Amino acid sequence: QKEVEQDPGPLSVPEGAIVSLNCTYSNSAFQYFMWYRQYSRKGPELLMYTYSSGNKEDGRFTAQVDKSSKYISLFIRDSQPSDSATYLCAMSEGYGGATNKLIFGTGTLLAVQP
Amino acid sequence: SAVISQKPSRDICQRGTSLTIQCQVDSQVTMMFWYRQQPGQSLTLIATANQGSEATYESGFVIDKFPISRPNLTFSTLTVSNMSPEDSSIYLCSVERSINTEAFFGQGTRLTVV
Repeated sequence: QKEVEQDPGPLSVPEGAIVSLNCTYSNSAFQYFMWYRQYSRKGPELLMYTYSSGNKEDGRFTAQVDKSSKYISLFIRDSQPSDSATYLCAMSEGYGGATNKLIFGTGTLLAVQP
Repeated sequence: SAVISQKPSRDICQRGTSLTIQCQVDSQVTMMFWYRQQPGQSLTLIATANQGSEATYESGFVIDKFPISRPNLTFSTLTVSNMSPEDSSIYLCSVERSINTEAFFGQGTRLTVV
């Protein structure tokens, strides 16, 4: 079993839709949960990170962590064609540094149709 | 943020040869890492590049196959040695400006071994 599971998609939605992206994990020691966005032929860029459980909102993006279920989500409201990318979840036991290795999901490919 | 330049951006190499990938950052950073992103697979940490000393490799990666140099706080190289088609992947450089800060990624090097 992988430490982090993520549905690879692809996920295709119409412009303006609400998108839900999810990951599950097995390591209960994970405390930091991140979402990266990766455009084609580019490196990943950090969208949001959350410490422990709860919600975090940033504009059209909301990150949710449910540690009891070992489940994290990223919601995108009013999705735009420019949101079309691969979304990677990542998590770690601590934040940053060589000892707090990031464990990534495989990524979900999202296409927002105009 | 950090501006990271990776060279080459892509290459097609013959099996049995070696390729050296360069990572240049626009300012001094504490941490530099090398990742591999294989098709359909999670982004996986290869090693932490340590300035002036041997890199720290993750399980499954060895120095003979992936020698790494880091002569200063802004530059690192990763060599993929004695390549086989299984080494076809995207290789990414990642940096953290200081401990416990956000990880930034380069745009990646797309390697195809034929």
